[in-house]
This record gives sequence, structure tokens and C-alpha cells, in this order.
Amino acid sequence: KAGVTQTPRYLIKTRGQQVTLSCSPISGHRSVSWYQQTPGQGLQFLFEYFSETQRNKGNFPGRFSGRQFSNSRSEMNVSTLELGDSALYLCASSSDRVPTDTQYFGPGTRLTVL
Amino acid sequence: QKEVEQNSGPLSVPEGAIASLNCTYSDRGSQSFFWYRQYSGKSPELIMFIYSNGDKEDGRFTAQLNKASQYVSLLIRDSQPSDSATYLCAVREGAISNFGNEKLTFGTGTRLTIIP
Repeated sequence: KAGVTQTPRYLIKTRGQQVTLSCSPISGHRSVSWYQQTPGQGLQFLFEYFSETQRNKGNFPGRFSGRQFSNSRSEMNVSTLELGDSALYLCASSSDRVPTDTQYFGPGTRLTVL
Repeated sequence: QKEVEQNSGPLSVPEGAIASLNCTYSDRGSQSFFWYRQYSGKSPELIMFIYSNGDKEDGRFTAQLNKASQYVSLLIRDSQPSDSATYLCAVREGAISNFGNEKLTFGTGTRLTIIP
């Protein structure tokens, strides 16, 4: 079974621009979560989507948004980029089948904001 | 603020010895606990999860959970150089049967180095 895929793998943007990242979950997984990883803050939860609905949300500003499509693929958007948004953005999918609903991570998108 | 604490390390262990990684969490309501391994430049890879108090073994890895002490640990037996990585402890809120809470709170990770 193919793993979680993320595109693009690397991105360079300038301050003020916006960016869209894409995530395709493992086949059959309906839950997609997004995380931001930085050296200073570690892994921080952004939000989670299930059946096209945002089910959980972390403590990030409204510039960070996402959506999920009917095929469970998810996109994350960051508007008005700031230097501090430079990070590795990871998405994770889970089967949502308790109790084995563990999250599996994709390779991540490395975003650099200049 | 729910927190997950780990020693950042680095933790150096001779090859063949037992590596012991520790994690404490602040939320007594936490029910599910995960250990991920992350190699430099790569994404986290799931090693084990544990829900019940006690030990859970999988090959060279043993996870230990003590909910009363709010403590979870990972033991790596017969450590190999390939075990050198950052180990992340993650905690999931809510009961096992809570279908709707996938948020994981991560510790900052412990960097483990296995010395040949």
C-alpha cells in the first residue's frame, strides 16, 4: 500500500506571498492532520480534516487554512507569508479505526520564506 | 497548556547496550501514547503505540506506560548505529473510543546517538 504523499517537497517563497501544499493520504484513510515542525517549537498541530470537515484545530492564526476533498486528499494554504512560517510541513493520515488509529506521516514539504 | 516533556539529549549509548528514553505528560486525560523515530531530514516514523499501563514489546523495542505517574518510556535493546535518530513522544487526548480526536501533542524529542 502506498504511503502518504506530499507535494511539492520544497518551496521557496517571499514574504507576503501565499502558498498551497497538497497531501494524499494512505488509501482508505479518511483523516488527514497537518503539523508544522521547526527547530525551536518542534512539531505543532495545525488542524485535522475528516470527511471534508475540519474536526480539530490547533493554535495557529487564521492565515493558515485547509480543506479536504471527497477523495480524502487535503490541501493546506498559508496566506501573507511571514519569515517565521519557514518550516517543514507534515501531513499525517490515519484510518480512524480505534484503537489502532495511529497516524502515518508523509515526507513533508520544506517551505522557505525569504 | 497540555505539555509533553522529553530530555532533549543528546543521549549517547554504546552499541549493544540498552537505550532508555523517557517522556512525561501533563494531561491526566491522555489515553494514547506514541513513539516516533525521526532521522535527520526525514519525517517521523511510527515505532510503537501503547494504551494500557504496563509494558508492550515489539522486537527490540519496549514501551512502558504508567498513567498514575504520567510517564511513558521507550527501551531499545541491543542498540544499533542505525537507531541513532531523534525519538519523539506523542500523546493523544481522549479515550480510545473517542472517534473524533486525532490531535497529537509532541514532545521536542530526544536525540539518541549509538556509539559503535
